[in-house]
Amino acid sequence: GAVVSQHPSWVICKSGTSVKIECRSLDFQATTMFWYRQFPKQSLMLMATSNEGSKATYEQGVEKDKFLINHASLTLSTLTVTSAHPEDSSFYICSATDRNQPQHFGDGTRLSIL
Amino acid sequence: EDQVTQSPEALRLQEGESSSLNCSYTVSGLRGLFWYRQDPGKGPEFLFTLYSAGEEKEKERLKATLTKKESFLHITAPKPEDSATYLCAVQSYSGAGSYQLTFGKGTKLSVIP
Repeated sequence: GAVVSQHPSWVICKSGTSVKIECRSLDFQATTMFWYRQFPKQSLMLMATSNEGSKATYEQGVEKDKFLINHASLTLSTLTVTSAHPEDSSFYICSATDRNQPQHFGDGTRLSIL
Repeated sequence: EDQVTQSPEALRLQEGESSSLNCSYTVSGLRGLFWYRQDPGKGPEFLFTLYSAGEEKEKERLKATLTKKESFLHITAPKPEDSATYLCAVQSYSGAGSYQLTFGKGTKLSVIP
């Protein structure tokens, strides 16, 4: 099946720093990538939808200046959490699709802000 | 607003004890209902897509069915390796040529040897 790689899988950093998470589709060209956030025992909450070469569309309540998304190529999207604070600690998951197949997910990034 | 409700929240089965997981949904313009499996600390793994009422799909011990209001994931003679959280999601058109998924909270399945 389709493979989506997400890196890093786990990051711990101090409050105020910025953290970049990468999401790569390894065996197909992803016209659309999605970024989700998941809290314990909760469902995946969509943060933003990213189409290659265009600005990301953010869901209501998600600060676009806080969560910077770049989708510069058909195989790579990045999420940068700027000036991270403890309340940003969460499990972030990306997914990718080329419209002809279901969304395939990365293995997530556990972000812990001290 | 699309809504997905999964029940039960958690389910413990003895190995070999068949059961079903439920996913009830309301959506404006269903463009597919998806089942995913999620293991702890991992991203969801795709299982099935269903598009129309009456459709059924099978994979090993799992069978997914769909009606106009709900979907069931039937697990026949489960094994301990089937233990995971099973997520249901509905896909609808979000505008600007994109489709998005709305997820339920999942059912955590534990299969006891």
